[in-house]
Amino acid sequence: EAAVTQSPRSKVAVTGGKVTLSCHQTNNHDYMYWYRQDTGHGLRLIHYSYVADSTEKGDIPDGYKASRPSQENFSLILELASLSQTAVYFCASSETGRHNQAPLFGEGTRLSVL
Amino acid sequence: GQQVQQSPASLVLQEGENAELQCNFSSTATQLQWFYQRPGGSLVSLLYNPSGTKHTGRLTSTTVTKERRSSLHISSSQITDSGTYFCAMVGGSNYKLTFGKGTLLTVTP
Repeated sequence: EAAVTQSPRSKVAVTGGKVTLSCHQTNNHDYMYWYRQDTGHGLRLIHYSYVADSTEKGDIPDGYKASRPSQENFSLILELASLSQTAVYFCASSETGRHNQAPLFGEGTRLSVL
Repeated sequence: GQQVQQSPASLVLQEGENAELQCNFSSTATQLQWFYQRPGGSLVSLLYNPSGTKHTGRLTSTTVTKERRSSLHISSSQITDSGTYFCAMVGGSNYKLTFGKGTLLTVTP
C-alpha cells in the first residue's frame, strides 16, 4: 500500500538547536515535497525534489535545508531552529510534478521550538 | 505569485444540509484540486478538477477556468464531513501547488 511516513510525529526543540525531520515513501514516486502549515493557514511549500541528490527551493526556503539521498527518503533540516519555525510540517510525494495525480501526504510532524 | 482565496473561512451546518465552498485564484490554473484535512490529521485528495464538473459520492466540483474559480458542493452533510477543506492550484508550467487558507466546516447533529 502506498504510503508516506514521517518521523518524528512530534518534537520539541530549543532555539538555536538543529532539527531534522525525516520522510520515507514507498510509492516509487519521483517528486517529494516539504510543506509547512501554520494555524489557520493553508500549506506553504518549503522545498521539493524531483530526483535523488537534488533539491529545489519552494516559496519559503529561508532557514531550511533539504536533502534527498535516495528516491525514497527526503529530509528537512533546520540548522538553527527559531521560535517562528513552530508549525506542523507535512511531507508529500507524487508520481509527476504536474499534480494531475494528487500527491500523497504523510501524517505530519508537529514541531514546537521553545 | 499565485494566490488562492477560499470562502467562507468557516461554515456551520446541521446534519443533512448542503455546503457550498468557493475558491478563487489569481492566475489561470492548469491543475486544480480539492483536499480534505480531518482535525489534527493529514490531507487527502477529494477531487482533481481543472475544468468543468466532476462528481464523486456526495461531492460535486465545478471549475470555470476562464473566471478563475472553483466550487465544491457537499450534499446531505454528515458529522464526519467536519474538517477543513482546501483548494490548491498549479498555474502554467509551475510544478508547485499553491493552497488556499481553507474552509473549516463543522457539521452538528
